[in-house]
Amino acid sequence: NAGVTQTPKFQVLKTGQSMTLQCAQDMNHEYMSWYRQDPGMGLRLIHYSVGAGITDQGEVPNGYNVSRSTTEDFPLRLLSAAPSQTSVYFCASSYDATNEKLFFGSGTQLSVL
Amino acid sequence: AQSVTQLGSHVSVSEGALVLLRCNYSSSVPPYLFWYVQYPNQGLQLLLKYTSAATLVKGINGFEAEFKKSETSFHLTKPSAHMSDAAEYFCAVSFSGGYNKLIFGAGTRLAVHP
Repeated sequence: NAGVTQTPKFQVLKTGQSMTLQCAQDMNHEYMSWYRQDPGMGLRLIHYSVGAGITDQGEVPNGYNVSRSTTEDFPLRLLSAAPSQTSVYFCASSYDATNEKLFFGSGTQLSVL
Repeated sequence: AQSVTQLGSHVSVSEGALVLLRCNYSSSVPPYLFWYVQYPNQGLQLLLKYTSAATLVKGINGFEAEFKKSETSFHLTKPSAHMSDAAEYFCAVSFSGGYNKLIFGAGTRLAVHP
């Protein structure tokens, strides 16, 4: 069982570069989300999706774009990376809107120099 | 505004000792409450959840938590720590209605010493 797969695991960017963090799930979950994890701050919601074609902003959406063209994939795009976006990023999925159980990927560690 | 506070960013116990990780929340409506565990270089996984059924909730790996409305608390306990329990633990809260966004606490790193 693959579950939630994130790529890449590590990435170093220069300020101003763009990149896409990939997330795919094979559980046919309608609900997917992106979080960033920073020391002493826990996880904060960036964007989420309640189904293909439907996305919405979370707590810290600035500087990030998402789209959801298929049920399986939910990529996160950084259009112009900034040092403040240095963080560990987690993708998660769930089978219903209650989010009573989130399934997390193993994370992407991003450094912006 | 809803929030979650985890008291103690680091907790250290001896193997076999009681584990107590503290979580308090603020909310004006009945919450759903969760504990997640994160092992090194991994994503989070659900330990247990409270969703308005029994106030004492049992989870995986011998952990349990008790919802106390009067104290707005949801502390995590385990009677006897094992070396494999060393990890970071996150308390989270969400609220019913539409898409339930989880609000996570800052986390508590548990160290277990022989």
